[in-house]
Amino acid sequence: NAGVTQTPKFRILKIGQSMTLQCTQDMNHNYMYWYRQDPGMGLKLIYYSVGAGITDKGEVPNGYNVSRSTTEDFPLRLELAAPSQTSVYFCASSYLGQGSYEQYFGPGTRLTVT
Amino acid sequence: KNQVEQSPQSLIILEGKNCTLQCNYTVSPFSNLRWYKQDTGRGPVSLTIMTFSENTKSNGRYTATLDADTKQSSLHITASQLSDSASYICVVSSPTDSWGKFQFGAGTQVVVTP
Repeated sequence: NAGVTQTPKFRILKIGQSMTLQCTQDMNHNYMYWYRQDPGMGLKLIYYSVGAGITDKGEVPNGYNVSRSTTEDFPLRLELAAPSQTSVYFCASSYLGQGSYEQYFGPGTRLTVT
Repeated sequence: KNQVEQSPQSLIILEGKNCTLQCNYTVSPFSNLRWYKQDTGRGPVSLTIMTFSENTKSNGRYTATLDADTKQSSLHITASQLSDSASYICVVSSPTDSWGKFQFGAGTQVVVTP
């Protein structure tokens, strides 16, 4: 049982480049989330999805885009990378978004923009 | 202002000793409170989930307490082991938030030394 997988693990981008962070879950979860984690700060929600075809902005969506064409996949797109997007990105999933449902996290993608 | 504050920011303890981590929150209304363990370079993993009606919950050597009246929670680690070295994150969820379903604290970094 793989859970939540993310690729790549590490990436270095130049300013202005674009890339897609991949996230896949095999638990048939409805909810999926993208967070970023900066040093000394709590995780911040970028985007979330409550099911295939439905996405919504989180707390810090600027500079990012998402899509959810299937239940399993929730890619995060960075357009025109900026140094402020240097961070560790975590994808997570849960069966529902409320109640005591567990939220499962992927291993993270460490992104550096120079 | 962060609605979930954790203390201390970091602590060092000797193997075999106990320690207690604190979490104060202002999130209201309150749905549940979670404690996560995040090993270096990994995604957070759930330790406990408590609703407002629960005062205490244990997971092995980890015991979480919750006082919903004072909006405080603590995580007690008993007989610490080297593998307990990690960041411990308090997460509070509210049923009314659209995107802020989970408000993350910045974490307490615990280092267990031999």
